[in-house]
Amino acid sequence: GENVEQHPSTLSVQEGDSAVIKCTYSDSASNYFPWYKQELGKRPQLIIDIRSNVGEKKDQRIAVTLNKTAKHFSLHITETQPEDSAVYFCAASYYGGSQGNLIFGKGTKLSVKP
Amino acid sequence: DTGVSQDPRHKITKRGQNVTFRCDPISEHNRLYWYRQTLGQGPEFLTYFQNEAQLEKSRLLSDRFSAERPKGSFSTLEIQRTEQGDSAMYLCASSDSGTAEKLFFGSGTQLSVL
Repeated sequence: GENVEQHPSTLSVQEGDSAVIKCTYSDSASNYFPWYKQELGKRPQLIIDIRSNVGEKKDQRIAVTLNKTAKHFSLHITETQPEDSAVYFCAASYYGGSQGNLIFGKGTKLSVKP
Repeated sequence: DTGVSQDPRHKITKRGQNVTFRCDPISEHNRLYWYRQTLGQGPEFLTYFQNEAQLEKSRLLSDRFSAERPKGSFSTLEIQRTEQGDSAMYLCASSDSGTAEKLFFGSGTQLSVL
């Protein structure tokens, strides 16, 4: 089955700096890679996702890159703000037919210091 | 609130008791998922439904766990003979058929087994 590894487990940056979180996956059949943000005591929320037919996707200050050959994908947050502080989870899945469930990494706790 | 709702938010029970959680998905969503999240970990897939059919179950879902979605709308997750190791946040998520991979999570039910 799919296995997702996520690094680092904690990340501390100064406000305005960039943050990068990396994930690797094991199943070459996986074709969908979302990132979720979970603030303390709240539900995970989808912030950006990418499909395997795309190498990069950007949405304002956040971007995701995918390297299918190396089976890794990364989240990039630029110009970090204190409200970016949260736990970020990457996930991977194969979507097709009746299949479909997300396998999550263990999370990265991002702290943005003002 | 038109999001995914879960009830109760918190449940404290004694070991050996049975508990049942309810999830109401976003109304037009035909897929419903159950995940379990423990402290410092990412959500772990338990099971998912497409309409009323339970299409996939994780090995994590022991025979003490049962999930139903009788009319393809709300779902219940029952845990029989609870154990301390069952203490976790139980998250429900839903998605629609057009963008089945985009999961919208509820706020979860926090279970504490004493």
